[in-house]
Amino acid sequence: TQLLEQSPQFLSIQEGENLTVYCNSSSVFSSLQWYRQEPGEGPVLLVTVVTGGEVKKLKRLTFQFGDARKDSSLHITAAQPGDTGLYLCAPRYGNQFYFGTGTSLTVIP
Amino acid sequence: NAGVTQTPKFQVLKTGQSMTLQCAQDMNHEYMSWYRQDPGMGLRLIHYSVGAGITDQGEVPNGYNVSRSTTEDFPLRLLSAAPSQTSVYFCASSEDRLNGYTFGSGTRLTVV
Repeated sequence: TQLLEQSPQFLSIQEGENLTVYCNSSSVFSSLQWYRQEPGEGPVLLVTVVTGGEVKKLKRLTFQFGDARKDSSLHITAAQPGDTGLYLCAPRYGNQFYFGTGTSLTVIP
Repeated sequence: NAGVTQTPKFQVLKTGQSMTLQCAQDMNHEYMSWYRQDPGMGLRLIHYSVGAGITDQGEVPNGYNVSRSTTEDFPLRLLSAAPSQTSVYFCASSEDRLNGYTFGSGTRLTVV
């Protein structure tokens, strides 16, 4: 059984600040997806990372896949109130993706 | 707009009642799945389907039934609702199980 941890669980920052959230697994995974979920809505896919060491950028968001394929991070530069939401990582083990409990981010104007 | 449509958005049931949560997608996706989301537990897979006529169990299937008679529809049935089934339910679809998922907006179910 793999253990999956997202940290921090909650994060509240001022507009314009930078932040990083983490996704750590006890087991190696073959790929990983990041989603953002807004209150009252379903998760929305942000990115899929496949290769160990891979870095992907989506505007102010930078996603990194750890070399050992057991961790990933999401860095947001100059956070904006529109970035507020629950950030979920979903690593793939075998033929199934498993979702973490998420990091709840609040960006204060 | 193309996407995943879930109905109803809110539902209150009494213990022992049955109901069906509806899910429909218009993207011709082969893979569809049902999750429940509970505080501190994340999204947990209930049932999934890799195509019409094919379904399988996920992590937490007990108390739920599914069927997939068409590519578009994947209803979730609660045969005898229990308070432990109080949760937010999400339906998701994808071209295949290894691609990114498109989620519906959820059904918030309360069992009293």
